[in-house]
Amino acid sequence: GQNIDQPTEMTATEGAIVQINCTYQTSGFNGLFWYQQHAGEAPTFLSYNVLDGLEEKGRFSSFLSRSKGYSYLLLKELQMKDSASYLCAALNTGGFKTIFGAGTRLFVKA
Amino acid sequence: ETGVTQSPTHLIKTRGQQVTLRCSSQSGHNTVSWYQQALGQGPQFIFQYYREEENGRGNFPPRFSGLQFPNYSSELNVNALELDDSALYLCASSPGTSASYEQYFGPGTRLTVT
Repeated sequence: GQNIDQPTEMTATEGAIVQINCTYQTSGFNGLFWYQQHAGEAPTFLSYNVLDGLEEKGRFSSFLSRSKGYSYLLLKELQMKDSASYLCAALNTGGFKTIFGAGTRLFVKA
Repeated sequence: ETGVTQSPTHLIKTRGQQVTLRCSSQSGHNTVSWYQQALGQGPQFIFQYYREEENGRGNFPPRFSGLQFPNYSSELNVNALELDDSALYLCASSPGTSASYEQYFGPGTRLTVT
């Protein structure tokens, strides 16, 4: 089967660090996306991990462990504008099908 | 701005009717995927087109069909609309190569079926 699990909601304080976890089970796996989606808007690309390890991109980092079917998104120096849904998505082998999780709604408070 | 546009922005249809949603991809992007996103959920993969051919399909019935045109535009057609088809419909284009699977999403079409 194919399944993506991530927490429904998280709350963090401005300036802090937050880690959003994602576990996946897919029949055929190419890589793992993270997208950000503000309410009423389209998802925007944050990262794509193919190999195991941590990839850093400014305040955002993404980690992948293929053997564990696990990924996380790390957000540092949180800002109010980071309040959004964060979508974890697995791309299948062949690259033609992306399976999205339900998203984690992050609330950043002052 | 991703360079991907969709029309219309909002649409209200009655159960049983047919609807066509349109998407204009980024120039040079040979691949377009369509998604259905219900409120509070992640996008659900409907299908993908690559160079005008259907390249893969999710768990959606045949009344969901699509077309892709040489000018980087595409359509999603839904026949015999049901109430549960009410959702945000997103298209996403990508270069379609193994070097980059990044998808660029359009703003979506909000479909309401009454």
